[in-house]
Amino acid sequence: SQQGEEDPQALSIQEGENATMNCSYKTSINNLQWYRQNSGRGLVHLILIRSNEREKHSGRLRVTLDTSKKSSSLLITASRAADTASYFCATPLGGTSYGKLTFGQGTILTVHP
Amino acid sequence: DVKVTQSSRYLVKRTGEKVFLECVQDMDHENMFWYRQDPGLGLRLIYFSYDVKMKEKGDIPEGYSVSREKKERFSLILESASTNQTSMYLCATQITASGGRRETQYFGPGTRLLVL
Repeated sequence: SQQGEEDPQALSIQEGENATMNCSYKTSINNLQWYRQNSGRGLVHLILIRSNEREKHSGRLRVTLDTSKKSSSLLITASRAADTASYFCATPLGGTSYGKLTFGQGTILTVHP
Repeated sequence: DVKVTQSSRYLVKRTGEKVFLECVQDMDHENMFWYRQDPGLGLRLIYFSYDVKMKEKGDIPEGYSVSREKKERFSLILESASTNQTSMYLCATQITASGGRRETQYFGPGTRLLVL
């Protein structure tokens, strides 16, 4: 079964607005990662947050992690049409010594110019 | 920057054909992965490799095999292609960091395979 589940499945906003996507997971983790996938392309790593971190920023991205609720959120501020993509959260299976990740189903973000 | 290349962006094959998908990385990463991505099913791990000639099955290995004869190259083989193997195939690499941590994965552009 999927470890990470994103919510919402799809999100449609206007350029300049903020976009928030959520991810819930089931078992304890030592990190959580977010990836972006443009249509028909491979995934691109965006940001990694460790279990001892609560919030992390990278440019217009802000990620939070709440280990007590087993959830994470990705906030994209001042969105642009170029942010249109699918966004996936990923968590390690069996800890980072194994390297395997399990991915959620993704949130499809559409940013209208 | 990590560069992961896949041999084809689009591929059309006939049922029963043997299909080779190749993935090449230029960063000396130990770990390599093959996924397939289907609508509604997300990414599913087919096989992965921790080192040359080392391979382990993922969640859906049936109908597939892999080969890693050189560190930079990881091949996915469909022994006898079937229509249910029509999918997007993604290769990824991953470094083993200090302390043995294996975290971020770097993906190739994907191969969209159609089996007729």
